[in-house]
Amino acid sequence: GESVGLHLPTLSVQEGDNSIINCAYSNSASDYFIWYKQESGKGPQFIIDIRSNMDKRQGQRVTVLLNKTVKHLSLQIAATQPGDSAVYFCAERTGGYQKVTFGTGTKLQVIP
Amino acid sequence: NAGVTQTPKFQVLKTGQSMTLQCAQDMNHNSMYWYRQDPGMGLRLIYYSASEGTTDKGEVPNGYNVSRLNKREFSLRLESAAPSQTSVYFCASSPLFGTGAPSGANVLTFGAGSRLTVL
Repeated sequence: GESVGLHLPTLSVQEGDNSIINCAYSNSASDYFIWYKQESGKGPQFIIDIRSNMDKRQGQRVTVLLNKTVKHLSLQIAATQPGDSAVYFCAERTGGYQKVTFGTGTKLQVIP
Repeated sequence: NAGVTQTPKFQVLKTGQSMTLQCAQDMNHNSMYWYRQDPGMGLRLIYYSASEGTTDKGEVPNGYNVSRLNKREFSLRLESAAPSQTSVYFCASSPLFGTGAPSGANVLTFGAGSRLTVL
C-alpha cells in the first residue's frame, strides 16, 4: 500500500557528486515506472521512464534501475547540480487499475 | 504552446461554498486527470477521464465532481467545500491511458497547480 508521512525523506548531496534516490513500489503487477521531478511551486515534470522488462535505462545525466525481485526502483543523477534540487517522485502503472500511482517523494537538497 | 493551464492559481473558500477548478490542455491529449497533493504525501488521483466523453473515480473522489467538457477541458467541482479539501490540486493530461498504451503515452504533463484553502 501507499506509505503516508508528514515529512519527506531528504537527501543532501554536495554539488558535483552523484545522487541516488530510492523507491520501493508496492505492486508486483506494475509494468511501467516513471520518475517525476517537482520543483517548489510547480507541477511535477517527467524525467525518465522504464518498462518492467528492462533493468536499466539511461537518459541525460540520469539512470533508472529496476529490481523486480525486491520491488525496488532507483534514480541516479550524475554530477548533481543546484538545479536538481527538488522533490522526486516515482510512479508505477499497474495493470488492472489502469492508473498511475505515485510514491510519497524524496526531497533532494544540493549543497553548493 | 502552453501545455496544461489551470485556473485559478489560488483560492480561499469558506466551508460549504462551492467552486470549480478549470483545466485546459493544448497538446491534443486524450486523457486528463485531477490529483490532489497534501504535505508529505504523494499525489492522489481524484478523478480521471480516459477519453472525451468518459470520466471515472480515482482513489479519493468523495466530495468532488468532474466534467470533461470537450477534448481540451476537464473541470473539477467542489459542491460544498470542507476544510479537509484544503490542498494543492493538479490537473494533468497524457496522450493515452491504460496498460494497453505504449509506455510513453502514459507520461503525464502537469499544470502548475491550484492552491485551495477552505476555512
